[in-house]
Amino acid sequence: NAGVMQNPRHLVRRRGQEARLRCSPMKGHSHVYWYRQLPEEGLKFMVYLQKENIIDESGMPKERFSAEFPKEGPSILRIQQVVRGDSAAYFCASSQGSQETQYFGPGTRLLVL
Amino acid sequence: QKEVEQDPGPLSVPEGAIVSLNCTYSNSAFQYFMWYRQYSRKGPELLMYTYSSGNKEDGRFTAQVDKSSKYISLFIRDSQPSDSATYLCAMTGIYNQGGKLIFGQGTELSVKP
Repeated sequence: NAGVMQNPRHLVRRRGQEARLRCSPMKGHSHVYWYRQLPEEGLKFMVYLQKENIIDESGMPKERFSAEFPKEGPSILRIQQVVRGDSAAYFCASSQGSQETQYFGPGTRLLVL
Repeated sequence: QKEVEQDPGPLSVPEGAIVSLNCTYSNSAFQYFMWYRQYSRKGPELLMYTYSSGNKEDGRFTAQVDKSSKYISLFIRDSQPSDSATYLCAMTGIYNQGGKLIFGQGTELSVKP
């Protein structure tokens, strides 16, 4: 039973480029969460999605960041016009329901040059 | 003031020692409390999960929650070098309102053979 899958594991972008991070939840899970981990900091909630719906985006920066979880395919976290401050590890978690345990993926480490 | 405070360490102990990890929080609405373990360059994995106040034991691990003091602890008995990791406390309020987890900064633990 595969766990939460994230790709790419490492992503290097130059300032101004776009970054696309993908997350495939565990089989049977329809709830996806994205968190960001900056150096020397804990994980910070960004967004919570169910299939085709954004439930809570209170942790998302107002500009340049967007997320989706289409009916088919992985969840995508998209960062437009990246800046150096976007360099971080981005983790995706999934759960079977909103009251269920969240299982984390291995993360995508984004480096902005 | 951060919602969840956790001493970042690092904490270094000899093999076999009892380890005590702690978090304090300010939001009295938190009801669900978790401890995650994160190895270097990996995603967090759930160790312990407790609801409201009380103790929970699982093998060498014991989680305690004191809601009156807004204080949670994780104890590791007979610590092993394989326990060397960063330990993150996490908590959330009413689960069915979104499952958004609030994390502490994480405590880096090193168990020396």
